[in-house]
Amino acid sequence: DAGVTQSPTHLIKTRGQQVTLRCSPKSGHDTVSWYQQALGQGPQFIFQYYEEEERQRGNFPDRFSGHQFPNYSSELNVNALLLGDSALYLCASSHDRGLFFGPGTRLTVL
Amino acid sequence: KQEVTQIPAALSVPEGENLVLNCSFTDSAIYNLQWFRQDPGKGLTSLLLIQSSQREQTSGRLNASLDKSSGRSTLYIAASQPGDSATYLCAPMDSSYKLIFGSGTRLLVRP
Repeated sequence: DAGVTQSPTHLIKTRGQQVTLRCSPKSGHDTVSWYQQALGQGPQFIFQYYEEEERQRGNFPDRFSGHQFPNYSSELNVNALLLGDSALYLCASSHDRGLFFGPGTRLTVL
Repeated sequence: KQEVTQIPAALSVPEGENLVLNCSFTDSAIYNLQWFRQDPGKGLTSLLLIQSSQREQTSGRLNASLDKSSGRSTLYIAASQPGDSATYLCAPMDSSYKLIFGSGTRLLVRP
């Protein structure tokens, strides 16, 4: 079991650009959540997908959008990047009990 | 709105000490609570999960307790080792599988 995988590992973008981050959940998990972690802070909930629908959303602007595919994998899209979007983006999957996190994607916006 | 506080923010101890990390949360209507470990620049590793109906969970040298009514959880680490050095995060979960995190406790275990 590969666990939760994320790609890419690192990404550097400039302000105003758009970025897509990808996540494959742990085998058997049907719910995917995305979190943003700024340096020195705990992760903040962005949104959650279940059965290809956004089920919950945290306090993030519409520039942050997502998608879940029939195989439960997910993408996080961020448009019109700002310097403040620089962070570690974590994907987590769950089925019943507890969340399992991937290694994250480090996004740097210059 | 759930708010999570972890105390202390940072801790430095000599190897071999037993230590306690504290977590408090404002909304006691939680589904469960997870403790995670995070190494610098890495993802989160789940250490222990306590269901809302449970009082504690143990895994090896780790023991986590939960007092839901008072909004508190503690993580006890026995006989600390340098390899335990990391940031420890507490996160209560609501019924929709959303975790709310504290800022963590940065632990350094000195050889």
